[in-house]
Amino acid sequence: EDKVVQSPLSLVVHEGDTVTLNCSYEVTNFRSLLWYKQEKKAPTFLFMLTSSGIEKKSGRLSSILDKKELFSILNITATQTGDSAVYLCAVPYSGAGSYQLTFGKGTKLSVIP
Amino acid sequence: EPEVTQTPSHQVTQMGQEVILRCVPISNHLYFYWYRQILGQKVEFLVSFYNNEISEKSEIFDDQFSVERPDGSNFTLKIRSTKLEDSAMYFCASSQNWGDQPQHFGDGTRLSIL
Repeated sequence: EDKVVQSPLSLVVHEGDTVTLNCSYEVTNFRSLLWYKQEKKAPTFLFMLTSSGIEKKSGRLSSILDKKELFSILNITATQTGDSAVYLCAVPYSGAGSYQLTFGKGTKLSVIP
Repeated sequence: EPEVTQTPSHQVTQMGQEVILRCVPISNHLYFYWYRQILGQKVEFLVSFYNNEISEKSEIFDDQFSVERPDGSNFTLKIRSTKLEDSAMYFCASSQNWGDQPQHFGDGTRLSIL
């Protein structure tokens, strides 16, 4: 059975701190890994990673994939209260004719002023 | 930026009733998905849909569930006879293509079964 495990499950930091969120995975036929940010409603797409060692960056957020060790990290620098959310890691299961996502439980990040 | 829209945002229904959840995927997307998230739990895949047919479904998606694309824009999830355990947030998602394309999610419908 495919597995996606995120750690920590929750994290409380002060504004300005840097955080690192972890995602490890065990899936057959790995193709990509996705990070989403979930505030009150929809998971919002952040990054899709397909190649090892290539950092993807968007503002204060960055992410990298290690296909040998089967994990990814999501970094957020200079955190702001608006970064408070649940961060979800997901891996597509490459079954025939579909690309269903298997999600981890998420990391709940709380940024306090 | 184009987005996936879902209606209603909240649906309250008596057990045993039928519900239809509606979604308008992003217009140039070809693959459509339904997921659900029971309070406090993971987001779980229900079904994927392409070219007017189901491509894959999970074990959650039993005979009580059905999906349809009744016209060129809407994508619906029907639950025929709701049970208490169907209470969850239901998310619709779409992607431009199969393969390495991100899925974009709607804001969800919170379904509460009484």
